[in-house]
Amino acid sequence: DQQVKQNSPSLSVQEGRISILNCDYTNSMFDYFLWYKKYPAEGPTFLISISSIKDKNEDGRFTVFLNKSAKHLSLHIVPSQPGDSAVYFCAASVSRYNDYKLSFGAGTTVTVRA
Amino acid sequence: DARVTQTPRHKVTEMGQEVTMRCQPILGHNTVFWYRQTMMQGLELLAYFRNRAPLDDSGMPKDRFSAEMPDATLATLKIQPSEPRDSAVYFCASGGEPRLSYQETQYFGPGTRLLVL
Repeated sequence: DQQVKQNSPSLSVQEGRISILNCDYTNSMFDYFLWYKKYPAEGPTFLISISSIKDKNEDGRFTVFLNKSAKHLSLHIVPSQPGDSAVYFCAASVSRYNDYKLSFGAGTTVTVRA
Repeated sequence: DARVTQTPRHKVTEMGQEVTMRCQPILGHNTVFWYRQTMMQGLELLAYFRNRAPLDDSGMPKDRFSAEMPDATLATLKIQPSEPRDSAVYFCASGGEPRLSYQETQYFGPGTRLLVL
């Protein structure tokens, strides 16, 4: 039973435009959320995170928004660049468990067109 | 440049054979995770260790998979006997830098791509 869902397996966007990736979760105990980026033949790398005490976190071109009531988060990339073409994984954890376990979504493949 | 290393990077084997995948976590990290990536399920957590002790292996098929940490610099994931449905990319990740809060990030290795024929 997947507790973190990324319902869009792929996204194609033109260079310079905004990419919006969505993620939904079912476990109301999740209170820390992360996005990872993965290039082919490499392991995922941490991109950005957000705690449930916030509703927005920004880091350069990347912004994550959290809507706790809807159990939904999104990642915005503005402007999109060719190097952003990768698979993006959404992940969530229950921090009070102190076990550092992450539940991952299935990933969204982003293709940025020149 | 500290990073997680995994060997082998690629493995092709026949059904029924034993497969051993190795992981060297980042020095000083005390938590090690094993994941499997498939097209349908994304990243599934198989098992993880804290200070070399297994904390959770509920994601792992117990009859054929086993995970160990013989020492702080080596984690292993074994499949015996292997089956075609085990074909996937297996990732190791480490984390747990003491100076960070509990909200640490996990650092992934490059993965082992396994194909069982």
